[in-house]
Amino acid sequence: AQSVTQLDSQVPVFEEAPVELRCNYSSSVSVYLFWYVQYPNQGLQLLLKYLSGSTLVKGINGFEAEFNKSQTSFHLRKPSVHISDTAEYFCAVKDTNAGKSTFGDGTTLTVKP
Amino acid sequence: ETGVTQTPRHLVMGMTNKKSLKCEQHLGHNAMYWYKQSAKKPLELMFVYNFKEQTENNSVPSRFSPECPNSSHLFLHLHTLQPEDSALYLCASSQGWTENTIYFGEGSWLTVV
Repeated sequence: AQSVTQLDSQVPVFEEAPVELRCNYSSSVSVYLFWYVQYPNQGLQLLLKYLSGSTLVKGINGFEAEFNKSQTSFHLRKPSVHISDTAEYFCAVKDTNAGKSTFGDGTTLTVKP
Repeated sequence: ETGVTQTPRHLVMGMTNKKSLKCEQHLGHNAMYWYKQSAKKPLELMFVYNFKEQTENNSVPSRFSPECPNSSHLFLHLHTLQPEDSALYLCASSQGWTENTIYFGEGSWLTVV
């Protein structure tokens, strides 16, 4: 079994400030890790994913995340946010040998002018 | 355009009505999913179909009845729902049910009155 904890339910930041959305996971097996974004009134879309290799993963819209195996974390970062980044962000894990993804509760990022 | 199309986008139904949600994917995938997204709750996986065969049913009440006539289409038949079933229902697909990335539709907002 696996679980995902997104440590912040809401993150308010000012435009052009850096942001970090935190995600910790728990699993007894190897996992793949994902960040999805959900803009208002839309479905989820993939931001980035870690499958193997380099622990620093770059995604769309200037986001990146770092896989830290020892700390079982996969935090999402962006050096300078825009108003358009306001959305709900979901961290997810998937057992490398199974089909089911487990999602975190989500973090609401609100970017203020 | 996400490649996964859901209709209707909004549905209001009474507790004694029968209605259906429809999902179509144009990505050539062979796995399809129904998720439920309620306010202040994590994303809940309801059903998984792989090559038209149901591979997962997460203890979903029988008032929700899925149907997958082919790998491109997925339905969720609804009858005698409860107000607490009001939520955003997200359809998704992937290339194989162990495949890493899930592609989501924009969702169908369901309100049960």
